[in-house]
Amino acid sequence: EAQVTQNPRYLITVTGKKLTVTCSQNMNHEYMSWYRQDPGLGLRQIYYSMNVEVTDKGDVPEGYKVSRKEKRNFPLILESPSPNQTSLYFCASSLLTGANTGELFFGEGSRLTVL
Amino acid sequence: GDSVTQMEGPVTLSEEAFLTINCTYTATGYPSLFWYVQYPGEGLQLLLKATKADDKGSNKGFEATYRKETTSFHLEKGSVQVSDSAVYFCALSVRAAGNKLTFGGGTRVLVKP
Repeated sequence: EAQVTQNPRYLITVTGKKLTVTCSQNMNHEYMSWYRQDPGLGLRQIYYSMNVEVTDKGDVPEGYKVSRKEKRNFPLILESPSPNQTSLYFCASSLLTGANTGELFFGEGSRLTVL
Repeated sequence: GDSVTQMEGPVTLSEEAFLTINCTYTATGYPSLFWYVQYPGEGLQLLLKATKADDKGSNKGFEATYRKETTSFHLEKGSVQVSDSAVYFCALSVRAAGNKLTFGGGTRVLVKP
């Protein structure tokens, strides 16, 4: 089954404690991206990657890091989480070429609370 | 920059009612337009899309027409069901920006039996 898998789905942590949210896709997609969803703001892009070892900042990258060492994985790293990073996070992937360009496949989301 | 504006919710309807969710956009290039749907506790799923002016996207009884002259992409369904209760997001993608989707704020729809 084609899917984007995120872990953990729910996490409560404390300020300053490093955490990683993993994301894996099994569709051989070149493009992967992280979004955060906040009430009334829709989804905002944090980072994206066009291919292995190629990453770039989105609209709200402050406080986050990513890496793309393998095509299927795109972890999101919060080195020193703060309460304003409490949010619902989505990983997404897509092909870069063809008729379906721009059609993103989303994971189920990871709800993060930073106390 | 690129932006998407959609009507705020929640929108509460009775079953079999007509649904319209307004969406307008501004874009620096020639965008593709999308509607995504998020059911409770799930990630977003593509509902429909249109890639050029006057195209009509349709799926599951939902329709939206790409109107370049009014920079709009309104979502409609003629007869909603309880199972259509969800949050709906309008989004755009500009080729020059890679695969980045710019989303509206989302509209929550609640359909009552």
